[in-house]
Parts: sequence; C-alpha cells; structure tokens
Amino acid sequence: DQQVKQNSPSLSVQEGRISILNCDYTNSMFDYFLWYKKYPAEGPTFLISISSIKDKNEDGRFTVFLNKSAKHLSLHIVPSQPGDSAVYFCAATYVYGQNFVFGPGTRLSVLP
Amino acid sequence: DAGVIQSPRHEVTEMGQEVTLRCKPISGHDYLFWYRQTMMRGLELLIYFNNNVPIDDSGMPEDRFSAKMPNASFSTLKIQPSEPRDSAVYFCASSPETGPQETQYFGPGTRLLVL
Repeated sequence: DQQVKQNSPSLSVQEGRISILNCDYTNSMFDYFLWYKKYPAEGPTFLISISSIKDKNEDGRFTVFLNKSAKHLSLHIVPSQPGDSAVYFCAATYVYGQNFVFGPGTRLSVLP
Repeated sequence: DAGVIQSPRHEVTEMGQEVTLRCKPISGHDYLFWYRQTMMRGLELLIYFNNNVPIDDSGMPEDRFSAKMPNASFSTLKIQPSEPRDSAVYFCASSPETGPQETQYFGPGTRLLVL
C-alpha cells in the first residue's frame, strides 16, 4: 500500500501558465514533506520542502501548500517554463527521520 | 564537490548473472541510501546506512539483494542471481547527519537491464 500517492502520472501545461502538482499521503505521522525534480538520465534533485507546522512555503516561482487535515500537499509553479519539464516526486518523512517515502512521480510537460 | 558518483551508468546482463552496482557518497555525508525506480512503483527505498552501518533494509526485495558499506566512501549493491524483473534504475543518495532540513543528494543512477 503506497503511503505517498501522486495520482496524476502526467500533466501538460502551456508556458507562462500555472502548473499544479498534487500529492496525498496516508500516514498521519509524516511531518516533513519535500519535492524533488528529475530530468532524464539524471538523479532527482531537491526542489522545495515544508514542515507540518506550516501550510505554505515559497521559493521563487515554486510554492508548496500543505493541508494536514486532508493529508494533501500541492506544488505550484508560476509561471511555468519549458525548463520545468521533468518528473516531480513528492516525498514524506518524519522531522527526525532520514527515511524518505517517495510517491511514484508526475511527469510535467511545459509546452512552448 | 563531484557529488554522488555511481558506476556503471548502464549495465546489461543475462538472467542468472551477478550484478554489482557501486556508489561513492559525498565526502562528509554520514547517511547513504539505495533506491530503485520502476515505472510501476516509482522510487522505492531499498536500504540505508548510517556511519557505514545498515539501519533499515526492509525495502530489500529478497535474499538475492545485498548491500555493503565497507567504509565511508564506498558502497555496493549486489544482485545474485539477477532476474529480468530486477531491470530498473538504481539510485544511490547521501545525506549529512543533521536535522530534517537536510535533503538527500542523488547520484545519476545505474540503468540495469537483465535479459
């Protein structure tokens, strides 16, 4: 049973528009969440994170929202750029843990 | 820093053969992780080490898989004998020993194809 779910395998967005990637988790003990981005033939790289004590974290064009009651988080990219085309993984862990549980990923395509 | 180094980058082998994947973590990082990525299951944690000691190997699929970390700068993941269903991309990642803000740094992966 997957503890971290990304129900959209793929997403296409026009350049300049907003991209919204969603992630759901089932384990209420998770209290720290991360997003990683992966380009083909490369390893995943860290993008942005959020602690459960917050409901929003922003870094430039990237914002992560956390809804603890719904066990849901989302990554917003505004404005989307063609260079954002990649697979995005959501990951969850515990504040003092090192064991990240990753979702299956969502492939984002930003169309010029 | 060169980042996490993995070798080989690609491996093609026949069913039944032994496969050894190698990883050099970032210097000074005390945690090392082995992941497997497949289309069906995404990124799965296989095992992780802290200061060269295996901490959690519950993700290792079966006895055919084994991992070692003989020193702080080297780890191996071995599959013996290999099977076609082991075909996947295997990632190694490392992390410093600090609090939750520390992320994991991934290597480029080894793409394994077992025929």
